[in-house]
Amino acid sequence: SAVISQKPSRDICQRGTSLTIQCQVDSQVTMMFWYRQQPGQSLTLIATANQGSEATYESGFVIDKFPISRPNLTFSTLTVSNMSPEDSSIYLCSAGGGPNTEAFFGQGTRLTVV
Amino acid sequence: QKEVEQDPGPLSVPEGAIVSLNCTYSNSAFQYFMWYRQYSRKGPELLMYTYSSGNKEDGRFTAQVDKSSKYISLFIRDSQPSDSATYLCAMRTNSGGYQKVTFGTGTKLQVIP
Repeated sequence: SAVISQKPSRDICQRGTSLTIQCQVDSQVTMMFWYRQQPGQSLTLIATANQGSEATYESGFVIDKFPISRPNLTFSTLTVSNMSPEDSSIYLCSAGGGPNTEAFFGQGTRLTVV
Repeated sequence: QKEVEQDPGPLSVPEGAIVSLNCTYSNSAFQYFMWYRQYSRKGPELLMYTYSSGNKEDGRFTAQVDKSSKYISLFIRDSQPSDSATYLCAMRTNSGGYQKVTFGTGTKLQVIP
């Protein structure tokens, strides 16, 4: 099983600023995913990050707002740009690549925008 | 209509009870079915996955899939206070390449000692 370290675990940010969330996997994985989890809501996929190519964004999410990097097979970052209170949520990194495409999750980043 | 429906609970049971958690879905193309457990302030943890109708057992946990009814369940036997968490069902198609996973909203379970 893979272990995923995500940081920061939480942050309180001013509106208009940006926050970069880091996700480190202890083994090489083909695919990494970024999710948003809001209270009472299901996990919403933001984008899929593949190494060596641009991230693929889901409907409603754009690269300018959520730029993603995937420099190698064990690491990815998600930036939440020009934040507003509506961006307050838990952001989760996930990794996989086999039949269990998204088997492993990081512990999440709890973001509050004030 | 959501693709995946899950009763949010909360569900409160006494220790030792049998717990039944359920999800229904509308997309008949879903082939892989998963259950995740999420403790407060933690990321989801994969509990079980299955891709066929019927039952799959792992210790105190049994996952059940009924594709004809588009209904999946997770049973927890001899529930323990440590089982108190939110349980998320998830599913995806098997159409080759990357298949997006669709999650339920989660059922919050509390097991009372």
